[in-house]
Parts: sequence; structure tokens; C-alpha cells
Amino acid sequence: AQSVTQLGSHVSVSEGALVLLRCNYSSSVPPYLFWYVQYPNQGLQLLLKYTTGATLVKGINGFEAEFKKSETSFHLTKPSAHMSDAAEYFCAVSDMTGGFKTIFGAGTRLFVKA
Amino acid sequence: DTGVSQNPRHKITKRGQNVTFRCDPISEHNRLYWYRQTLGQGPEFLTYFQNEAQLEKSRLLSDRFSAERPKGSFSTLEIQRTEQGDSAMYLCASSHSNGGQETQYFGPGTRLLVL
Repeated sequence: AQSVTQLGSHVSVSEGALVLLRCNYSSSVPPYLFWYVQYPNQGLQLLLKYTTGATLVKGINGFEAEFKKSETSFHLTKPSAHMSDAAEYFCAVSDMTGGFKTIFGAGTRLFVKA
Repeated sequence: DTGVSQNPRHKITKRGQNVTFRCDPISEHNRLYWYRQTLGQGPEFLTYFQNEAQLEKSRLLSDRFSAERPKGSFSTLEIQRTEQGDSAMYLCASSHSNGGQETQYFGPGTRLLVL
């Protein structure tokens, strides 16, 4: 069965600093991997996804993530944090064995300090 | 706006009452998903439809929960005899499936509070 572990329920960075949100997954077959962002009282918005092909995936708002099969990781990064990046971020996995339903991690709340 | 919509956005009810939520997916999407999200957690899968057929239900979906998608368009999620533990955000998502992985687009959610 698939699972997702997000390391750190809270991450705090200064504006302009590097953002690194960690995600490790478990899947018995090649996975599809996603990062979603959720702002308060809103639904989830897709930041980026990995299906096949290039392992470095670029998303919206300057975010990118790299699929590392050997490390079973899909960490999210952004070179320079902006105040508007403060939100909850969810890593998710799905694959054929799960009927393509999506399994989410517990989330990481990103705080950005001025 | 042609995104996924959910109504109501908020619902407060007393324990034991029934509630019904509605989800209108993106019009050309054939798959519709329901998730539940509690504070501090990621969304948990409840059930999904392909067109009007309900293809999978999570063990989280007790007998008090029922979901329908009668014409393969909008969907309803009903909770009977609500309990305080049902308090959560209920999220709907839709996607267009071509037999493989697809991207799910989420609605804003319905936040339920059971008193």
C-alpha cells in the first residue's frame, strides 16, 4: 500500500531564504507524486506533479521538486521564499495498485518571516 | 469560474441531525472524489465515482455516510445521525480519466461542525 511521510509539521523560513519541504513515499510500483498547497479555508491547489520522464519537475509560483527513486523522496524547493508562500503544503502519491486514488501526507505548514 | 464548486461552504448542525453536501465537478470530468480532512491532517479518501458508478468506498465511510452521483454530473454526500467526530472539512475533487493517472482538481470544501 502507498504511504507518504512529510518530515516536519512546521517549517519557518525568512523571506528570501530557501524553502525545502521534505517528502518520502512508499509504493510498490512506479508512483505518481504530487505537491498541493492549501491556503486557509480553501481547497487544495496543485503545485506540481511527477508522472514519468524528467525527474526534476517545475511547478507554479517558482516551486520545483525532484523525484529520487533511490531515496524514495520527492522534496519540494523554492530558491527564495515570499510572504505569500505561507500556507499548508501536502505531498501525495498514487499508483495503479490503489486505483489511482490519492494518498496524502499529514502536511507541512510553512511560515515566512519578514 | 469553471472550477469545482461545493455547497454549502459551512454547516453547523446538532448531533443526531442529517446533513447533505453537494459537489459540482468541472463539466467534462468523468471522475469525482470525496475526501475528509480533519485539523492538522491531510485529506483522507472516502469514495469515488466514475460517471454515475461508485467504484470504491473507504472503510472510513460508515453506514451513516452515503454518496450519490445520479446522472454522472453533480454528487451529494449525506451523513445521517451526525456525531461530533464527523466534524471536518469535506473536500470534493474531479478529474478526467483516460485510463491512467490524471490530475484531480479540488473544490473549496464544506466545513462541518457538529455540536
